[in-house]
Amino acid sequence: EVQVVESGGGLVQPGGSLSLSCAASGFNFSIYSMDWVRQSPGKGLEWVSYISSGSTSIYYADSVKGRFTISRDNAKNSLYLQMNSLRGEDTAVYYCVREGRSSSFDNWGQGTLVTVSS
Amino acid sequence: SYELTQPLSVSVALGQAARITCAGNNVGSKNVHWYQQRPGQAPLLVIYRDSDRPSGIPERFSGSNSGNTATLTISRVQAGDEADYYCQVWDTASAGVIFGGGTKLTVL
Repeated sequence: EVQVVESGGGLVQPGGSLSLSCAASGFNFSIYSMDWVRQSPGKGLEWVSYISSGSTSIYYADSVKGRFTISRDNAKNSLYLQMNSLRGEDTAVYYCVREGRSSSFDNWGQGTLVTVSS
Repeated sequence: SYELTQPLSVSVALGQAARITCAGNNVGSKNVHWYQQRPGQAPLLVIYRDSDRPSGIPERFSGSNSGNTATLTISRVQAGDEADYYCQVWDTASAGVIFGGGTKLTVL
């Protein structure tokens, strides 16, 4: 069974840092591109970042560029998101997502909640 | 930057067909994907590449895309189809993923 499981969410003060992890199982992680997508409470979906299978291509949403860093370790079947200089508007559920056919998001984790507040 | 516009809400009677639109400049030239999100759950891919259904998605779900509008159609709507639906594309110009604002489907 294909599965992605996020961890690392929690409460952090504005200006602080947090690191999210995503453990993948049930598929050949090393050949899939991966993304992070977030959803603020009561709001819609917002794409955060993309990383290709071999980490050669990386993209970020303008809202997080320069503050967030996506990475992966194919040997550990893991995806990461390092979040620095956090702001209140970064409060959201963060989803780890596998890219499937035609770059659709075919498998989603259950998400991890990040709350930025003093 | 590229934008996708969806109606905030769509209401449909049980057993009827629901149509949810996704408007964007020349969206017909892009691959459009659709997601269903039930309350408290993660999104689920229901249509990819305009009109293809992932394994396990009922044939009642279909999609089309032409010109400036993509459409998700749900035939013979059931109570369990009540959810938020989002369209999504990859925008080459901005090198990023764009989601529509989402449409809340209410089954009457």
